[in-house]
Amino acid sequence: QKEVEQDPGPLSVPEGAIVSLNCTYSNSAFQYFMWYRQYSRKGPELLMYTYSSGNKEDGRFTAQVDKSSKYISLFIRDSQPSDSATYLCATFPLTGGGNKLTFGTGTQLKVEL
Amino acid sequence: GAVVSQHPSWVICKSGTSVKIECRSLDFQATTMFWYRQFPKQSLMLMATSNEGSKATYEQGVEKDKFLINHASLTLSTLTVTSAHPEDSSFYICSARDLFQGLQETQYFGPGTRLLVL
Repeated sequence: QKEVEQDPGPLSVPEGAIVSLNCTYSNSAFQYFMWYRQYSRKGPELLMYTYSSGNKEDGRFTAQVDKSSKYISLFIRDSQPSDSATYLCATFPLTGGGNKLTFGTGTQLKVEL
Repeated sequence: GAVVSQHPSWVICKSGTSVKIECRSLDFQATTMFWYRQFPKQSLMLMATSNEGSKATYEQGVEKDKFLINHASLTLSTLTVTSAHPEDSSFYICSARDLFQGLQETQYFGPGTRLLVL
C-alpha cells in the first residue's frame, strides 16, 4: 500500500464546474499537507499548504484536511480551462521524515469549454 | 518570491557522455535542495537530498556514483548524470526549501530539465 493514494484520473469537467480532488494517506505522522499544480512539461507549483484539520481558502481554491479519516481534498470553484493540469497532493511528517515530501501519483484534470 | 530556476531546460546527449544540470534559488537561500525524477504520467520520485556543504543523501536504489550531486552554495545545487544511457532519459526536477521561511516544510520547485539520451 502506498503511503499516499490519489486517483490518477483523468478527470474531465465542463468549464465552471466545481472540481473535487482527493487523497488518502496511511501514516498518522503526516501532519503537513500541500497541493501542487503541474502543467505538462513543467515543474510543480505550490498551490495550497495546510497543517490543521479543517478548511483553508485561497481564491477559487479550498484545501480541506480531515486527519481523523486521513483524507485531504482540494476544491476548485468556477473551474477554468487554464486549470487543466495535474494536481499532486503531498505530505510531510511533524518530526523525522528527513525533510522529505511524500507525493501522491497526481490527478490529471481537464476543464473543457 | 520563492523562484527556483534550472538550467538547461532540455538537453539531448549521446550515450556515454555526462550531463550537468544546475538548480538555483533566485531570491532566497536554500540549505536543502532536493532532486526528483519523473517519468511520463507518473509522480515525482525523490532521488536525493542535497545539503549545502555536506554530502548528499541518496534514496534507496539511486546510484550515487552515477548521479553526482554538489551543493556548493546556499543558492546552487548541481546534478551530474555520469555516463548517461538511454534509460536515464527522464524529466529531472529540483526543489529548494527556503531557509528563512517560517513554514520550513515548504518546497519550491524548478521548471524541470528534460534529458534525452540517444
